[in-house]
Amino acid sequence: DVKVTQSSRYLVKRTGEKVFLECVQDMDHENMFWYRQDPGLGLRLIYFSYDVKMKEKGDIPEGYSVSREKKERFSLILESASTNQTSMYLCASLSGGAKNIQYFGAGTRLSVL
Amino acid sequence: AQSVTQPDIHITVSEGASLELRCNYSYGATPYLFWYVQSPGQGLQLLLKYFSGDTLVQGIKGFEAEFKRSQSSFNLRKPSVHWSDAAEYFCAVGAREYGNKLVFGAGTILRVKS
Repeated sequence: DVKVTQSSRYLVKRTGEKVFLECVQDMDHENMFWYRQDPGLGLRLIYFSYDVKMKEKGDIPEGYSVSREKKERFSLILESASTNQTSMYLCASLSGGAKNIQYFGAGTRLSVL
Repeated sequence: AQSVTQPDIHITVSEGASLELRCNYSYGATPYLFWYVQSPGQGLQLLLKYFSGDTLVQGIKGFEAEFKRSQSSFNLRKPSVHWSDAAEYFCAVGAREYGNKLVFGAGTILRVKS
C-alpha cells in the first residue's frame, strides 16, 4: 500500500511564527502536492513538485513556500503565519504513468492564533 | 478555466436507500474523473476513477459512477447506503493536457439516518 505520512495531525501556532508542515511518501513517486481544505471550498492547490528541487505554484501560493530536497519529502512552509491560514492541509503523492492517481495523507489541522 | 461543481452541499438519506451524488465539470480537454471519500478526521481515499473506455465504472465499497460526456457529468451512485458511508465526498477532474493537477469540487456531506 502507498503510504503518505504527514508529521503532525494538529498544530497550534501564533501569528507571525514560521511554520513547517512535513510530508513523506514511501512509493518513490515523483509528483507531490500540497492542498488546503476549507469548508465549502473543497481542496485548493497551493504548490506541487514534479521532481526533487522542482516546484510550481498552484492556485493559492501566496503566503506559502515549499521545499523538496529529497524525493520522498515535500515540506510546506508558512513564512509568517496569519490567522487566515488556519485550515486543514493535505499532502498528496502521485503515481505516474497511466494511472495518474493521487494518494493522500491524513491531513494536518493548523490553527493560527 | 477548469471547474467542478457539486451542487449539493449536504444530502441526507435513510440507511438502505439508494444514493446519487452529482458532479458536473467544465474542462477544455478530455477529462480524467475521480471520486474521493473523506471520513471525519481522515485524508481522502479514492473510491473510483474514469480514464477511458466503459463509461460506467465500479469502485470500492459498492459505489459506481457513470461518465456522461454530453452532460459533462460524473455522478456517483450506490444502490443501498450503509451507516458507515456517512462522510464527505469529493469529485475531482484532471486531464493529460494540464499535467498531473486535479481540480476538486467543493464536496458533498452525506448523512445517513437509521
